[in-house]
Amino acid sequence: KAGVTQTPRYLIKTRGQQVTLSCSPISGHRSVSWYQQTPGQGLQFLFEYFSETQRNKGNFPGRFSGRQFSNSRSEMNVSTLELGDSALYLCASSKNRQGSYNEQFFGPGTRLTVL
Amino acid sequence: DQQVKQNSPSLSVQEGRISILNCDYTNSMFDYFLWYKKYPAEGPTFLISISSIKDKNEDGRFTVFLNKSAKHLSLHIVPSQPGDSAVYFCAASAYSGNTPLVFGKGTRLSVIA
Repeated sequence: KAGVTQTPRYLIKTRGQQVTLSCSPISGHRSVSWYQQTPGQGLQFLFEYFSETQRNKGNFPGRFSGRQFSNSRSEMNVSTLELGDSALYLCASSKNRQGSYNEQFFGPGTRLTVL
Repeated sequence: DQQVKQNSPSLSVQEGRISILNCDYTNSMFDYFLWYKKYPAEGPTFLISISSIKDKNEDGRFTVFLNKSAKHLSLHIVPSQPGDSAVYFCAASAYSGNTPLVFGKGTRLSVIA
């Protein structure tokens, strides 16, 4: 069974630009969560999507948004990039029930660098 | 305010000895705890978990201990192997894993041969 895949793996953007990251969950998984990992803050929860609906949201500004498609693939978007948005963005998927955070499988992440 | 704290950013242990990684939490609603291991350029991988109804859970070389009164958990790795060198994250959730995971900042374990 293929794991969680994320594209692209590396990305360089400049301040003020926007970026879209993609995540394909494990086949059959309907919940997708996004996390931001920075050296200073560790992993922080961004949001979770289940059946195309955002079910939970972390404490991030509105510049961070996401969506989920009918095939469970998810994208997250960051608009008006700031230097502090440089981070590893991780996607995690879990099984066919809402809130199964204790059964998450993580992708390898997308390393975003903002110059 | 950090709800999950890993106060040791790094730890070095000799191969064959015990590694003990610690984690403290402040939120009394947390009742499910997990440890993840992360290698560079890879996502975190699940290692072991424990529910608040238990005080110990074992899986091979890995044992997690939970002290609810102290709001403290620890991960023991015995014996430590060079392949265990990675960053270890402690995470917590409420309602039996039905709330988003709250992670600590991680502890980098180096196992020296």
